[in-house]
Amino acid sequence: QVQLVQSGAEVKKPGASVKVSCKASGYTFTSYGISWVRQAPGQGLEWMGWISAYNDNTNYAQKFQGRVTVTTDTSTSTAYMELRSLRSDDTAVYYCARVSYYSDSSAYYYHFDYWGQGTLVTVSS
Amino acid sequence: DIQMTQSPSSLSASVGDRVTITCRASQSISRHLNWYQQKLGKAPKLLIYAASNLQSGVSSRFSGSGSGTDFTLTISSLQPEDFATYYCQQSHSSWTFGQGTKVEIK
Repeated sequence: QVQLVQSGAEVKKPGASVKVSCKASGYTFTSYGISWVRQAPGQGLEWMGWISAYNDNTNYAQKFQGRVTVTTDTSTSTAYMELRSLRSDDTAVYYCARVSYYSDSSAYYYHFDYWGQGTLVTVSS
Repeated sequence: DIQMTQSPSSLSASVGDRVTITCRASQSISRHLNWYQQKLGKAPKLLIYAASNLQSGVSSRFSGSGSGTDFTLTISSLQPEDFATYYCQQSHSSWTFGQGTKVEIK
């Protein structure tokens, strides 16, 4: 069965960086992309970025451009999200999600069909 | 960027009620619209993709409709396990989520 298992909770000081991992199993890793989504306490879902595990193409939300990097290691079927220059408002649960697609005669439709369990990142001095 | 607006932000309903949640995009997104359910402390779960396609394993009491800018998620007969927060998501241009609709017990 498809599983995405994320690394454990982190506590960081303002200005530091954090790197969260997402280990995939149960499917061919290079056949799908991975997106990263975060959720601040009591808030909604916010998409951060995407990477193709096939060719390492990336796409980032404008809000995070220059501060986030997503990478993959195909040898271990693991995706990573690094967020730099952390601020207190980066305190959130960070999720990875597999990006799947459906196609009909006119287009491809992308959606997040499997999610990791989430990683709490706390930024505090 | 494409903005997604859900309504209502919250609603109270009883078991057995028919519930409808709407989602509006700031520009046309064709049928590039997904719906997720999130329970407290859990990761979101995909319910509907491409506006109206039911994800495998999801109860048929969930249905989606719409195209262009206006979409709806309908729960035909609310069950106790359906009390959760629901998010729409556009996938026409990168991805953006709506702000969520919390479905509470009346």
